[in-house]
Amino acid sequence: DAGVTQSPTHLIKTRGQQVTLRCSPKSGHDTVSWYQQALGQGPQFIFQYYEEEERQRGNFPDRFSGHQFPNYSSELNVNALLLGDSALYLCASSRGTASFNQPQHFGDGTRLSIL
Amino acid sequence: KQEVTQIPAALSVPEGENLVLNCSFTDSAIYNLQWFRQDPGKGLTSLLLIQSSQREQTSGRLNASLDKSSGRSTLYIAASQPGDSATYLCAVRGGDYKLSFGAGTTVTVRA
Repeated sequence: DAGVTQSPTHLIKTRGQQVTLRCSPKSGHDTVSWYQQALGQGPQFIFQYYEEEERQRGNFPDRFSGHQFPNYSSELNVNALLLGDSALYLCASSRGTASFNQPQHFGDGTRLSIL
Repeated sequence: KQEVTQIPAALSVPEGENLVLNCSFTDSAIYNLQWFRQDPGKGLTSLLLIQSSQREQTSGRLNASLDKSSGRSTLYIAASQPGDSATYLCAVRGGDYKLSFGAGTTVTVRA
């Protein structure tokens, strides 16, 4: 039973570039959430996708956008990269219909470094 | 806005000692609280999930308690081992879909 998988594991970009991160949820899960974790801090919620739509968004600028596909996988896109976007990006999945009482399952993350 | 605090930020204990990790939150209107473990540069591994109606959950050497009215949770790890060295994060779910995390407690268990 595959867990949450994320790709790539590491990425190096320069300021101003654009990046796409990918996530496949755990088998049986249909909801995907994205979090940003800066060094030494707890993860911060970016947004959640359910039924291919953004269900909730955290306090992040419009440079951060996402997409969910019919197979429930998801992408996180970040445009006009800033040095402050350097972080570990985590994807979490759960079952949408009972997500309030279900545990969130996280992937190993993508480490994004901006030069 | 929910604020989650974990104190201390770091903890070092000799092998065999029991660990006590604290988590406090400002808004008691939560659905559940989840404890995670994070190894350096890795993702989050779920340890325990406590629903708001529960007082505690146990899994092996781990026990987590929840006092919703006072906005506190404690994670106990019995008979610590060097393999328990990691950062432990707590997260609460309120009336929306996101988790609000603390900054974590980094634990070192000395052999």
